[in-house]
Amino acid sequence: GAVVSQHPSRVICKSGTSVKIECRSLDFQATTMFWYRQFPKKSLMLMATSNEGSKATYEQGVEKDKFLINHASLTLSTLTVTSAHPEDSSFYICSARDWTSGRSGGTDTQYFGPGTRLTVL
Amino acid sequence: QKEVEQDPGPLSVPEGAIVSLNCTYSNSAFQYFMWYRQYSRKGPELLMYTYSSGNKEDGRFTAQVDKSSKYISLFIRDSQPSDSATYLCAIIQGAQKLVFGQGTRLTINP
Repeated sequence: GAVVSQHPSRVICKSGTSVKIECRSLDFQATTMFWYRQFPKKSLMLMATSNEGSKATYEQGVEKDKFLINHASLTLSTLTVTSAHPEDSSFYICSARDWTSGRSGGTDTQYFGPGTRLTVL
Repeated sequence: QKEVEQDPGPLSVPEGAIVSLNCTYSNSAFQYFMWYRQYSRKGPELLMYTYSSGNKEDGRFTAQVDKSSKYISLFIRDSQPSDSATYLCAIIQGAQKLVFGQGTRLTINP
């Protein structure tokens, strides 16, 4: 399957600082990437949809000024948590959409990165 | 009503057993169904992808969709300790948005 990387895998920061998380599709181009948040023993909650070359679409209740998303190329999307607070501590996971056409209808799936664990002190 | 519902478990079975994991969904218009496996502190890994109804088999894994009852299942045959993980069902809801079930924590005991 396709490979998606995230960097860093783990970050600890002080309250009030900003943290940038990178998501890369390594062997395919992704016009669409997604950012999720996951609390311990809970499912993934979609935060926003990142589209290359345009503004991200945020889910209801997600502050766009708090979670800045930039999708500058077909292989890279970044999530910046601005002025982080302890309640922002969580596991952040990105996914990249891999769409290919084919005789049998092609595929349209999302591949996930390994996640970034953010701890805000 | 949640769009996708899944029993969080935990589910514990002996090695070699057949495992059955299930989800229900609310909207009959959903067409694409996925199963992901997530190990602790890792991102989800796509296991099975099913379009519309029917069965799909891949090695020890079988995904089943029953659209009449809005029920999706994942069967694992000859379960192994390495299958111990959280299994998440998901549907695609317009514009490629994935909606996940809560996830079922599965433990295979040697």
